Amino acid sequence: KAGVTQTPRYLIKTRGQQVTLSCSPISGHRSVSWYQQTPGQGLQFLFEYFSETQRNKGNFPGRFSGRQFSNSRSEMNVSTLELGDSALYLCASSLTGGPDEQFFGPGTRLTVL
Amino acid sequence: AQSVTQPDIHITVSEGASLELRCNYSYGATPYLFWYVQSPGQGLQLLLKYFSGDTLVQGIKGFEAEFKRSQSSFNLRKPSVHWSDAAEYFCAVGDNYGQNFVFGPGTRLSVLP
Repeated sequence: KAGVTQTPRYLIKTRGQQVTLSCSPISGHRSVSWYQQTPGQGLQFLFEYFSETQRNKGNFPGRFSGRQFSNSRSEMNVSTLELGDSALYLCASSLTGGPDEQFFGPGTRLTVL
Repeated sequence: AQSVTQPDIHITVSEGASLELRCNYSYGATPYLFWYVQSPGQGLQLLLKYFSGDTLVQGIKGFEAEFKRSQSSFNLRKPSVHWSDAAEYFCAVGDNYGQNFVFGPGTRLSVLP
């Protein structure tokens, strides 16, 4: 069974631009969560989607948004990029999103110049 | 809201030595506890998890962890460390619905030959 895939793996943007990251969960998994990982703040929860609905959201500004499609694939969008948005963005999928194991993708490394 | 602390930022052990990584959590109910490992440039891989039952749980790669409710701890152990265990280790706690994972700041493990 294929694992969680994330595209692109690396991305360089400039301040003020917007970016869209993509995540394809493991087949059959309906829950997708997004995390931001930085050296200073560690791993922080962004949001979780289940059956195309956002079920839970972390403490991030509205510039961070996401969506999930009917095939469970998810996208995350960051508008008006700031230097502080440079991070590794990790996507994780699980069967139900309940107290279940999350399987992580390799991440997208975003650099904002 | 739940929280996780990992008191040790960086630990260095010799190959073949035993290892214990500390994790303390704060959560009002029975927590769902996880240990993940992250190698450089990689996503997170689940080592083991605790939901209920036996408080000593076995994981992959020879790791085990013990849940101690009285101490609010979930420490990770390995009797004999291998050079390939050098990585960053994250303890995480999920709530009753498992939708909101909170990760600790991580402990970086270095292994001396």
